[in-house]
Amino acid sequence: AQSVSQHNHHVILSEAASLELGCNYSYGGTVNLFWYVQYPGQHLQLLLKYFSGDPLVKGIKGFEAEFIKSKFSFNLRKPSVQWSDTAEYFCAVTMTGTASKLTFGTGTRLQVTL
Amino acid sequence: KAGVTQTPRYLIKTRGQQVTLSCSPISGHRSVSWYQQTPGQGLQFLFEYFSETQRNKGNFPGRFSGRQFSNSRSEMNVSTLELGDSALYLCASSGGTEAFFGQGTRLTVV
Repeated sequence: AQSVSQHNHHVILSEAASLELGCNYSYGGTVNLFWYVQYPGQHLQLLLKYFSGDPLVKGIKGFEAEFIKSKFSFNLRKPSVQWSDTAEYFCAVTMTGTASKLTFGTGTRLQVTL
Repeated sequence: KAGVTQTPRYLIKTRGQQVTLSCSPISGHRSVSWYQQTPGQGLQFLFEYFSETQRNKGNFPGRFSGRQFSNSRSEMNVSTLELGDSALYLCASSGGTEAFFGQGTRLTVV
């Protein structure tokens, strides 16, 4: 069965610092990859997704992720975080070719301090 | 455009009872998926319905079931509730390559 690992459980950064959150998955076949964000008290929202093409994916709010097939990784990056980026971030993978049957990582809680 | 609506938002049930949760997807979306979110296990896929048929299923016992109606609205049922079923149940609707999540139903089993 496929699995997703997010190695950073809790990250604390100062505003304007750069962010990189790790995500590794276990499946060797064709996968579709996602990053979701959950702001306090809100529902899960899609930040970005990868299905095919350019492995460097741009998402909303200045986030990007790079799919490195040889490393089974899909790390999330942002050059300069803001206080409003404080949230929980989830990496997810599916093999269905759609956005269903997502396998999620355990999440990374990001805290941005002023 | 209205988002994914889940009702009720909160539920308290007793062990052994059954419960039905409801999800109204975004208009036009034919796929509805259900997930269970707990502090210990994280987000886990329960099942997906597409055009009234179960298309994918996760690794949950048969006490967890669902259905989808012709208007794409979906219900999830849990029978013979156990304490471990206490969780946030999330519904997601999709028209293809993006899943939109609802706010969830928080179920507490006492």
